[in-house]
Amino acid sequence: KQEVTQIPAALSVPEGENLVLNCSFTDSAIYNLQWFRQDPGKGLTSLLLIQSSQREQTSGRLNASLDKSSGRSTLYIAASQPGDSATYLCAADLTGGFKTIFGAGTRLFVKA
Amino acid sequence: ETGVTQSPTHLIKTRGQQVTLRCSSQSGHNTVSWYQQALGQGPQFIFQYYREEENGRGNFPPRFSGLQFPNYSSELNVNALELDDSALYLCASSDGGDSPLHFGNGTRLTVT
Repeated sequence: KQEVTQIPAALSVPEGENLVLNCSFTDSAIYNLQWFRQDPGKGLTSLLLIQSSQREQTSGRLNASLDKSSGRSTLYIAASQPGDSATYLCAADLTGGFKTIFGAGTRLFVKA
Repeated sequence: ETGVTQSPTHLIKTRGQQVTLRCSSQSGHNTVSWYQQALGQGPQFIFQYYREEENGRGNFPPRFSGLQFPNYSSELNVNALELDDSALYLCASSDGGDSPLHFGNGTRLTVT
């Protein structure tokens, strides 16, 4: 049974700091891994999607990496800003893409 | 390009009642998935529809059912509501395969 774990559960950093959010999954037979952002009471916004054959994806200040052999993905946020404050969720698509398993998320607060 | 829209945004029901939630997929997307998100947790996969057929289901009882229509919009029906059904219900669409999920803002269901 695929399980997705995110560490830390919450994080508070000063503005401008670079930070790393961690995601681990128990079954390496994933189709892809996706990172999302969720603002309070809102839906999820897709940030980055990494295919199983890829090692990393970048978008602006965000970089996500994937290591299937160790069952880990990281989301790197450079030069954090108060507007980055949100919950960040990772999700693993099981092979075949019929089921997506989410972690519980990391709540990030960036202090001005 | 219109995004994923869900209705209603909020709903209050009494235990034992039935509820229908609606979702309009993003234009061009033929796959829709439904998720239940309890407070402070990651979304839990309920089921997925592809071209009007259910093609994946999570660990939810049969009183959770759905439909996808020819225009790819979708409904989630929940019968015999229980207090634990109180959650944010999220709909996500994609054009299948390795494309990212696009989420709506969800329906907040409260069961009293």
